[in-house]
Formats: sequence, structure tokens, C-alpha cells
Amino acid sequence: EVQLVESGGGLVQPGGSLRLSCAASGFTVSSNYMSWVRQAPGKGLEWVSVIYTGGSTYYADSVRDRSTISRDKSKNTLFLQMNSLKIEDAAVYYCARAPRYYYYAMDVWGQGTTVTVSS
Amino acid sequence: EVVLTQSPGTLSLSPGERATLSCRASQSLSNNCLAWYQQKPGQAPRLLIYGTSSRATGIPDRFSGSGSGTDFTLTISRLEPEDFAVYFCQQCGLSPPYTFGQGTKLEIK
Repeated sequence: EVQLVESGGGLVQPGGSLRLSCAASGFTVSSNYMSWVRQAPGKGLEWVSVIYTGGSTYYADSVRDRSTISRDKSKNTLFLQMNSLKIEDAAVYYCARAPRYYYYAMDVWGQGTTVTVSS
Repeated sequence: EVVLTQSPGTLSLSPGERATLSCRASQSLSNNCLAWYQQKPGQAPRLLIYGTSSRATGIPDRFSGSGSGTDFTLTISRLEPEDFAVYFCQQCGLSPPYTFGQGTKLEIK
């Protein structure tokens, strides 16, 4: 079964750091574009970051210079390292697969992991 | 950066009616690559349409997408009770950022 399972969310103080993980099964992370998307409470979807099959990475302006997307081929897992967290980073964070055959639209999503930023 | 604006913000319709949701881009999508997602409360988004007009696997044919350039439409031909949800459009393809529209809430009238 094709599946994504996120973990690593939690409560963190402003200025703190978190590392989110996204474990994949049923397909290979490194063979697909993989993205992180977040959703603040009661708000819409915000694209955060993508890692391409070749390893290139891109970020939304809101997280650039504070975040790093990466993957571990041996674990078939995607990561998002977030530093200098702000109140406005609080959201449910989803990882998603974006395969070429769907023109890089996101066809498989995890259930999300919640990040709370509060003092 | 492309900004996607969805309208209306909320659409109130009855089961059996036709729904037309709009997504307008601030500049032409050169690859005409637009995706549509459905999200229900407490759930992750679900891909409906990719490449502007192609249905994802398992999506009923009452869902259809159209458009080009800056104007795109998601049409639900006959609303079923399970279709009432929030719908998002998104720029897909090769060029980030992969911005989303702000969403249209489809509610039961």
C-alpha cells in the first residue's frame, strides 16, 4: 500500500527547532518530487518546500533560510528541519508525493503532524 | 510568483445541482498546469484533477476541469452529499513555488 506517515510535530517555543519526518511505504521517495505543505488552524494550504529527484530543493519565502528539506534513501524517509520557529509557523504539516505522471500534482498525502509554537 | 485567486469564497448549493468553481492566476500558467484538491474536515487533501483537465485515479467523472492561461474551472456536474467540502486549486508542474488558491467552501444549501 502506498502510504506516507509524518511524525515529529509537537510544542516548541518561539525560536526553537523541530525536525519533521515522513516515512514512505509502497514507493521510493527519491524517485519522486516530494513536498511539504502546511495548514494553519482554520486556514488554507500553504506550500512549504520541495525536493526534486535530482536533489534540488526549493522553499517558500516564508520559510527560506530557516528550513531544510532532505531525504534518507536507506530509510525511504523525507525530512523537514525547521529552525528559528515563529508563532506563524504553527500548523499541520503534510508531506506529499508529486509524481511526474501527474504533472507533479500531489497524489499521496500523509495524515499530517501538528506543530504548535508557543511560549 | 503566481497568485491564485479562487471564487466564490463560499458556494451554497443543493445535492443534484451543478457546481462551478473558479481559479484565476495572476499571470498565465505557461504549462497550463493546474491541479484541484478536495479537503474535508480533519482530513488531508485529495487530488481530484491534474494537468488542468485530467482526473486522478478513482475520481468520479462528475468532476471535470477546464481552462487555460489565467482562468481555470472545476465543475461538479451533479452534486452528491459527499462532495460538500473545501476545494483548492494549485499551480503544478516544474516551477516552484507551487502556490495554492485560498479555497472555495462548497456547502449544502
